[in-house]
Amino acid sequence: GAVVSQHPSWVICKSGTSVKIECRSLDFQATTMFWYRQFPKQSLMLMATSNEGSKATYEQGVEKDKFLINHASLTLSTLTVTSAHPEDSSFYICSASSRAAEAFFGQGTRLTVV
Amino acid sequence: AQSVTQPDIHITVSEGASLELRCNYSYGATPYLFWYVQSPGQGLQLLLKYFSGDTLVQGIKGFEAEFKRSQSSFNLRKPSVHWSDAAEYFCAVGEGNNDMRFGAGTRLTVKP
Repeated sequence: GAVVSQHPSWVICKSGTSVKIECRSLDFQATTMFWYRQFPKQSLMLMATSNEGSKATYEQGVEKDKFLINHASLTLSTLTVTSAHPEDSSFYICSASSRAAEAFFGQGTRLTVV
Repeated sequence: AQSVTQPDIHITVSEGASLELRCNYSYGATPYLFWYVQSPGQGLQLLLKYFSGDTLVQGIKGFEAEFKRSQSSFNLRKPSVHWSDAAEYFCAVGEGNNDMRFGAGTRLTVKP
């Protein structure tokens, strides 16, 4: 299957700083990328959907000014957690798909805000 | 709105025993259905998916799932569980790759 790479795999940051997480499709062009958040022992919750060159569509309850998503190319989407706080600590997972094809998931990023 | 229910939060089976993980969905049309497995601290690996056609779907690692429209179910099965199958399993429903929704997950423990 296709490969989706997330970077970093884990990150620790101080409260109030911003953190950028990258999601790359390594061997295909991802027209759509999805960002999920997963709390410990819970399921994945869709945060937003981004199409290349367009603004992301955020799910209800997700603060778009806090979770900035950029999908500037067909192989890269970024999620920036701005002014992070301890409650933003979570496991963030991206997935990517090309037209009418299945989505492939990254390995996830563990964010800890101290 | 579409939704997915995995009734069993945690299941324990003995190695070599058969396994069935339940998944029920609510969706207005014929859904796209998926089963994923997640090891601790890892991303998701697709086990199998159903889009159309044969309602019994074969996946990787010896897993299969059966789509039953009348029961709105897509249960995952494996005839003989291996210790390496211990993980979290997620059922998901969506319209293609858009708006994929996940169940709460079922944690599988395998006893020696």
